[in-house]
Amino acid sequence: GDSVTQTEGPVTVSESESLIINCTYSATSIAYPNLFWYVRYPGEGLQLLLKVITAGQKGSSRGFEATYNKETTSFHLQKASVQESDSAVYYCALALSGQKLVFGQGTILKVYL
Amino acid sequence: GPKVLQIPSHQIIDMGQMVTLNCDPVSNHLYFYWYKQILGQQMEFLVNFYNGKVMEKSKLFKDQFSVERPDGSYFTLKIQPTALEDSAVYFCASSLYGGQDTGQLYFGEGSKLTVL
Repeated sequence: GDSVTQTEGPVTVSESESLIINCTYSATSIAYPNLFWYVRYPGEGLQLLLKVITAGQKGSSRGFEATYNKETTSFHLQKASVQESDSAVYYCALALSGQKLVFGQGTILKVYL
Repeated sequence: GPKVLQIPSHQIIDMGQMVTLNCDPVSNHLYFYWYKQILGQQMEFLVNFYNGKVMEKSKLFKDQFSVERPDGSYFTLKIQPTALEDSAVYFCASSLYGGQDTGQLYFGEGSKLTVL
């Protein structure tokens, strides 16, 4: 079936350190799914962080980057230098038809000073 | 940015009762969704809705579930009767466009439903 697996959290990093949250996917009902990272900051609803719709391309937003790798079926989220304000829950997702999103389980990121 | 509001944020009811979860989507959006997240599990698609009709629903969308958006007011999810396994957080989302190529869904903060 279609599924998404991501780094099990919580992930704890010091401010200004680099970050990688792994995401791998399995898409059986669609050959080239669109891939997304969503983020939920404390007290807010889930919001789109970045998306990539073409295999091989990289998406970026707010200093975060993720590359759509079809060979390894991965979409890892990276940031070179995190800030305390990046503390949130991050969700990797793929889109099936009709805006059906398949989510990973979420990764809690805690950034400390 | 655009906000989706959900009411109530938390509801506790007895098994067998009816519950209605309300969602106030982004004002110009045309597509509406409900997702369900059981504690410790992934958020899962329930249903999407456009132009007054259910477009697609998952196997989680049981016969006891219904959705509607009467006269452009709240987009609602009704469960009647409720069961213990309906305890979860329900997330409403909306988007301006449908189809696979956008992914710009806006989510609410969720309504936590506890069925006793």
